[in-house]
Amino acid sequence: GESVGLHLPTLSVQEGDNSIINCAYSNSASDYFIWYKQESGKGPQFIIDIRSNMDKRQGQRVTVLLNKTVKHLSLQIAATQPGDSAVYFCADLNTGFQKLVFGTGTRLLVSP
Amino acid sequence: SQTIHQWPATLVQPVGSPLSLECTVEGTSNPNLYWYRQAAGRGLQLLFYSVGIGQISSEVPQNLSASRPQDRQFILSSKKLLLSDSGFYLCAWSRALGVNSPLHFGNGTRLTVT
Repeated sequence: GESVGLHLPTLSVQEGDNSIINCAYSNSASDYFIWYKQESGKGPQFIIDIRSNMDKRQGQRVTVLLNKTVKHLSLQIAATQPGDSAVYFCADLNTGFQKLVFGTGTRLLVSP
Repeated sequence: SQTIHQWPATLVQPVGSPLSLECTVEGTSNPNLYWYRQAAGRGLQLLFYSVGIGQISSEVPQNLSASRPQDRQFILSSKKLLLSDSGFYLCAWSRALGVNSPLHFGNGTRLTVT
């Protein structure tokens, strides 16, 4: 089936560095993409979303980039902090079908 | 504001016992409701979703079932649990999924089947 996958299962960075988490998706009909952050023992929290008619969207310290040509999505976190340590999931959606498809996640480890 | 409640937070059940996990949403009407399962260190697998009362779509064949007896209540059930049913169960709600309308998750129920 179609699914969203991630390139790196674990990413280790130093506090203050910028982090980039990558994601590949396979459904060319997907028109909406979301990044979630999940801390241990909690439900995923919404970070930022982007629709397919955009290639970049910025939030507070986070930026999502979308490259539809190669079906690639990335999450950039500026000045990474220890509190950013978590598992990050990308998900994609064809809004005609009300189901988000999640990847397996990337664990971000931030050392002081 | 909208809130989602899931309970219990943790549950230990023997193999063959029944299961009932409940999820309720407050502050919105006619939400889409979802049950996901997450195995340890893995991603989220969609189990069921509902776009209205009495409307349940099943994504994965298994010994689980879901019901939506009220607009903002979603229940996950099993008649006889298997060891493989252990995992982290997440309920979520949304308005029509799309821009500025993401999924909102509860804090999950960690189920251990022994």
